[in-house]
Amino acid sequence: DTAVSQTPKYLVTQMGNDKSIKCEQNLGHDTMYWYKQDSKKFLKIMFSYNNKELIINETVPNRFSPKSPDKAHLNLHINSLELGDSAVYFCASSPRLAGTYEQYFGPGTRLTVT
Amino acid sequence: GQNIDQPTEMTATEGAIVQINCTYQTSGFNGLFWYQQHAGEAPTFLSYNVLDGLEEKGRFSSFLSRSKGYSYLLLKELQMKDSASYLCAVSPADRGSTLGRLYFGRGTQLTVWP
Repeated sequence: DTAVSQTPKYLVTQMGNDKSIKCEQNLGHDTMYWYKQDSKKFLKIMFSYNNKELIINETVPNRFSPKSPDKAHLNLHINSLELGDSAVYFCASSPRLAGTYEQYFGPGTRLTVT
Repeated sequence: GQNIDQPTEMTATEGAIVQINCTYQTSGFNGLFWYQQHAGEAPTFLSYNVLDGLEEKGRFSSFLSRSKGYSYLLLKELQMKDSASYLCAVSPADRGSTLGRLYFGRGTQLTVWP
């Protein structure tokens, strides 16, 4: 049973294109996150949602737009892709919106922009 | 601002003990996490400390000193499969803009040799 799943696992696309990454969790958690891990392995928060409500919106270009249709799903749409967007994007979830809970990470989506 | 510092790389041999240090400076403190990340995989939770002292869990232990802004992860009886990146992450005070956040260090790449 997959706890946090993401699709696709790999995404190769050209500059200027628009792409989406989907995330689903079957843990019954209230809170979901998007992280970006760059080539130097630095993991940085992008967004968090709690019960479909946007809570954290880090300093991310507005080309990135998250959407949570329900609390089990959190998608990430990226417009006008740039070379610097190449990274691994991780979705994560936690039981509640509080920093005391461990986060469960999905397998990641490796995005390569050429 | 948030500052989390850990060594970039460490090496050790099978059967040995290794200690990975993490120092932090954050606005408020709500606990410190350690995650393990194997190459090409998602981070997975190892430990959480919110009070001073040592938490032991099998071969892995984690220590916290809040007054010193310091933690370490101790790995005993090292095995080849322990070769991975170890991420220190701090949860700042759960209020306002830091609610539910985790700030990650850049990770310590541990290589275990036979």
